[in-house]
Amino acid sequence: DTAVSQTPKYLVTQMGNDKSIKCEQNLGHDTMYWYKQDSKKFLKIMFSYNNKELIINETVPNRFSPKSPDKAHLNLHINSLELGDSAVYFCASSPTGQGRTQYFGPGTRLLVL
Amino acid sequence: QQQVKQSPQSLIVQKGGIPIINCAYENTAFDYFPWYQQFPGKGPALLIAIRPDVSEKKEGRFTISFNKSAKQFSLHIMDSQPGDSATYFCAASRGATNKLIFGTGTLLAVQP
Repeated sequence: DTAVSQTPKYLVTQMGNDKSIKCEQNLGHDTMYWYKQDSKKFLKIMFSYNNKELIINETVPNRFSPKSPDKAHLNLHINSLELGDSAVYFCASSPTGQGRTQYFGPGTRLLVL
Repeated sequence: QQQVKQSPQSLIVQKGGIPIINCAYENTAFDYFPWYQQFPGKGPALLIAIRPDVSEKKEGRFTISFNKSAKQFSLHIMDSQPGDSATYFCAASRGATNKLIFGTGTLLAVQP
């Protein structure tokens, strides 16, 4: 199936731990994104990569570090997890250029205890 | 500061009704305005999108009305069905980065 996939789907962890979320797209897109959706369902962009190059870096704590090994993958590593990091994290991808449709993955539900 | 304001927060309509969701924006540099539909436990999916050079766009039962001078746009769902029950997000972006700024979402319930 052509899609944006994320692993894991659920992630429950303790405060202070380090965790990673992986994203892969097989749509042939050049641009990938990470979004955070909080408990009130507000969606906010965190990062965007174009051909492995960081092009959007919102005001996100340094504990969050994206890594793009190739243009089909964009992973998110989170250090020293805090309670406030609990949210749903969505990966998305789009062709390069303005106004291009972004295709979202199914989300990773992170719960920090 | 919320760059894209969306209302109402929630909406209940009867089957066959026409729910209308409104959004307003401040930044006149925005040049792309999509609407996304999100079902529980799923990622958002593009429903319909419009650019500021047209005042209306229709795709199936979904219509966007766009008022450039008022900096407002709205989503109308004709002949709404229970299967349309979902959260709807408006968004806006500008430039080549394609950075989407989302509204706060509207939870729509269509009752049978």
